[in-house]
Amino acid sequence: EAQVTQNPRYLITVTGKKLTVTCSQNMNHEYMSWYRQDPGLGLRQIYYSMNVEVTDKGDVPEGYKVSRKEKRNFPLILESPSPNQTSLYFCASRQGGYGYTFGSGTRLTVV
Amino acid sequence: QQQVKQSPQSLIVQKGGISIINCAYENTAFDYFPWYQQFPGKGPALLIAIRPDVSEKKEGRFTISFNKSAKQFSLHIMDSQPGDSATYFCAGGTSYGKLTFGQGTILTVHP
Repeated sequence: EAQVTQNPRYLITVTGKKLTVTCSQNMNHEYMSWYRQDPGLGLRQIYYSMNVEVTDKGDVPEGYKVSRKEKRNFPLILESPSPNQTSLYFCASRQGGYGYTFGSGTRLTVV
Repeated sequence: QQQVKQSPQSLIVQKGGISIINCAYENTAFDYFPWYQQFPGKGPALLIAIRPDVSEKKEGRFTISFNKSAKQFSLHIMDSQPGDSATYFCAGGTSYGKLTFGQGTILTVHP
């Protein structure tokens, strides 16, 4: 089944403890991207990648890092999480055309 | 700043009625404009998209109207059904991967 897989689905962590949210797609898509979703703000793009080793900042990149060493994987790294990064995170991928395919989301709580 | 502004925040429509959601954008670098549908607990899914050289696109009961000079576009859902109840997001995107969403509209269709 063609899909974008994120792990974990739920995560509670403490302020300052580095964490990584993994994202993998099995569709051989070139483009991948991370978003956060907050009530009243919609989805905001954090980072996107056009191909291996090619990444660029989205609208809210502060406090996040990404890497694209393989085409299928695009992990999101929070080096020192803070409570304002508590959010619902989505990874997505696309080949061309219009539509990103989204994963099921990771709900992160930073206390 | 929000580069894509969406209204209304919420919308209640009777079954069989027409649902209309409006968006305005600022970034003239956007080269396509998708609409996404999101059900509770799920990631967004592409509904329909349009390029700025087209004024209208229809797919089934869903129609996008696009006004390039006004930098506005809208989604019309004809014959709205209770199964259409979801959150709808407009967005502006670029061919190199950037995607900026509006704040979302919660649509409720009453039977």
